[in-house]
Amino acid sequence: EAQVTQNPRYLITVTGKKLTVTCSQNMNHEYMSWYRQDPGLGLRQIYYSMNVEVTDKGDVPEGYKVSRKEKRNFPLILESPSPNQTSLYFCASSLIGGGAQPQHFGDGTRLSIL
Amino acid sequence: SQQGEEDPQALSIQEGENATMNCSYKTSINNLQWYRQNSGRGLVHLILIRSNEREKHSGRLRVTLDTSKKSSSLLITASRAADTASYFCATEGVGGAGSYQLTFGKGTKLSVIP
Repeated sequence: EAQVTQNPRYLITVTGKKLTVTCSQNMNHEYMSWYRQDPGLGLRQIYYSMNVEVTDKGDVPEGYKVSRKEKRNFPLILESPSPNQTSLYFCASSLIGGGAQPQHFGDGTRLSIL
Repeated sequence: SQQGEEDPQALSIQEGENATMNCSYKTSINNLQWYRQNSGRGLVHLILIRSNEREKHSGRLRVTLDTSKKSSSLLITASRAADTASYFCATEGVGGAGSYQLTFGKGTKLSVIP
């Protein structure tokens, strides 16, 4: 089954404790992206990757890191999480970048930073 | 980056009625997409419409695009309780970094009352 898998689905942690949210897709997509969703602000893009070893900042990259060492994986790293990073996070992938192809979304990761 | 804005923010209708949601955006686009999100879940792609298209259909969904007015509408006909969800438009800008990003609006929350 074609899917985007995020882990964990839920995480409660404390300020400053490094964490990684994993994202994996099985569709051989070139493009992958991370979004955060906050009430009243909609979805905002954090980082995206056009292909292996190619990443770029989205609209809200501060406090986040990403890497794309393999085509299928695109982990999101919070080196020193802070409470303002409490949010619902989504990973998405598409065949190519931009809006010419539909994006496939994971089920989301709800992060709470205390 | 530009962002589509959906209107209305919330819409409540009776089952069987039609629901219309609008999206406006600020600058020229290559493509526009509509997505649905059930509460707390990942977004699901509904329809993609390219800038040279005026209308697309998919089952009970009809999307129109008016590039001169920089607006799009999503019509759901004969609504069902299962259509209750948030609906988002997403735009791909023309040129520059915007060409590689899909920018989402804040969504319309649709409630269909049985």
